Amino acid sequence: IAGITQAPTSQILAAGRRMTLRCTQDMRHNAMYWYRQDLGLGLRLIHYSNTAGTTGKGEVPDGYSVSRANTDDFPLTLASAVPSQTSVYFCASSEDSNQPQHFGDGTRLSIL
Amino acid sequence: KNQVEQSPQSLIILEGKNCTLQCNYTVSPFSNLRWYKQDTGRGPVSLTIMTFSENTKSNGRYTATLDADTKQSSLHITASQLSDSASYICVNDYKLSFGAGTTVTVRA
Repeated sequence: IAGITQAPTSQILAAGRRMTLRCTQDMRHNAMYWYRQDLGLGLRLIHYSNTAGTTGKGEVPDGYSVSRANTDDFPLTLASAVPSQTSVYFCASSEDSNQPQHFGDGTRLSIL
Repeated sequence: KNQVEQSPQSLIILEGKNCTLQCNYTVSPFSNLRWYKQDTGRGPVSLTIMTFSENTKSNGRYTATLDADTKQSSLHITASQLSDSASYICVNDYKLSFGAGTTVTVRA
């Protein structure tokens, strides 16, 4: 079934550790996005990529980095996790910025 | 301050009834205004996308309206079903600003 795959589905991580959240899409979409969703708040954009080889910063990029080496994959890395990064992380993709975004089912990350 | 405010925060309706959710945004012009449905434990799913020049868009029992003068949008759910229980999220494409969502619970 075509769509977005995120891994892992959940993770508990010690503060200070490095963590990479994986995101893969098989729809050949140009644009990909990473969001975090916290209770009572709307999704907030962390980083995005309009096409393979390019990335941009969203609303809350500090502490996160991304890469877009090819069309399908868009990993999100926490270089040194802190408790405030405890959240649910969603990856999304779209054909272009005017088309609907397709979301994965999220990674639930707890930083202790 | 969030540029997109949604109301109510939550509501409970009986199966078969209609309801209307509100979205106010502060920044315009924008390229698109979107509504998503998010089931518990899942990612959001697109319901409608409206451009600045559109004032209504339907997707089955879901109808979104847009008033650019008052910077308001609404999502109307007709003849609600138990499967409509979810969070409904309004998004202004300007800087991809997401509202916090309205949680709808449909009871039999």
